Amino acid sequence: DTAVSQTPKYLVTQMGNDKSIKCEQNLGHDTMYWYKQDSKKFLKIMFSYNNKELIINETVPNRFSPKSPDKAHLNLHINSLELGDSAVYFCASSQDGGGGQGDTQYFGPGTRLTVL
Amino acid sequence: AQTVTQSQPEMSVQEAETVTLSCTYDTSENNYYLFWYKQPPSRQMILVIRQEAYKQQNATENRFSVNFQKAAKSFSLKISDSQLGDTAMYFCAFIGNDMRFGAGTRLTVKP
Repeated sequence: DTAVSQTPKYLVTQMGNDKSIKCEQNLGHDTMYWYKQDSKKFLKIMFSYNNKELIINETVPNRFSPKSPDKAHLNLHINSLELGDSAVYFCASSQDGGGGQGDTQYFGPGTRLTVL
Repeated sequence: AQTVTQSQPEMSVQEAETVTLSCTYDTSENNYYLFWYKQPPSRQMILVIRQEAYKQQNATENRFSVNFQKAAKSFSLKISDSQLGDTAMYFCAFIGNDMRFGAGTRLTVKP
């Protein structure tokens, strides 16, 4: 009955590989987000989707591609992984959001990605 | 770009005492929202408290309260009666036309 879930929790992979992180929310929220937390704990938003439509797309390499098959899911696919992609990635959701309505965001447990 | 500044990278407090974490932000917007999130060693991100900028009254949630000074663009978090379980990273977040997090403050509650 987890509200926002992410899989896998840990991901260790070789440089150059392609990998995906899945996120699902069962809160009925309209907006979902992906954040990257680097080794210094700094959280930075990457993407936001509202009802399956991209509404925030910060400056991230185009190797990162979010995919939202429905509004309960927002998956993150990463091509040609690099060492600098190693981080913890958080998924979150909010009731509306719409790019800045201030709704409380509920976070998933995070996925620790390690690129070797 | 709007910034969120947490000037205290680390803080410690004795159990049962009170501690205040600072957060300042920069914005030209009038309507926005501010949050404090807690990240314990388990790494989960947990909402602590939320403040709407249009509300003058400071938000309170049990032992957690904020001192919101809109003119000064300040949003500090006060934790009363600190408990060992409060040990965590605390992030201040701004949500207006975009979203920004501060760099975090690592709080240690000592027995």
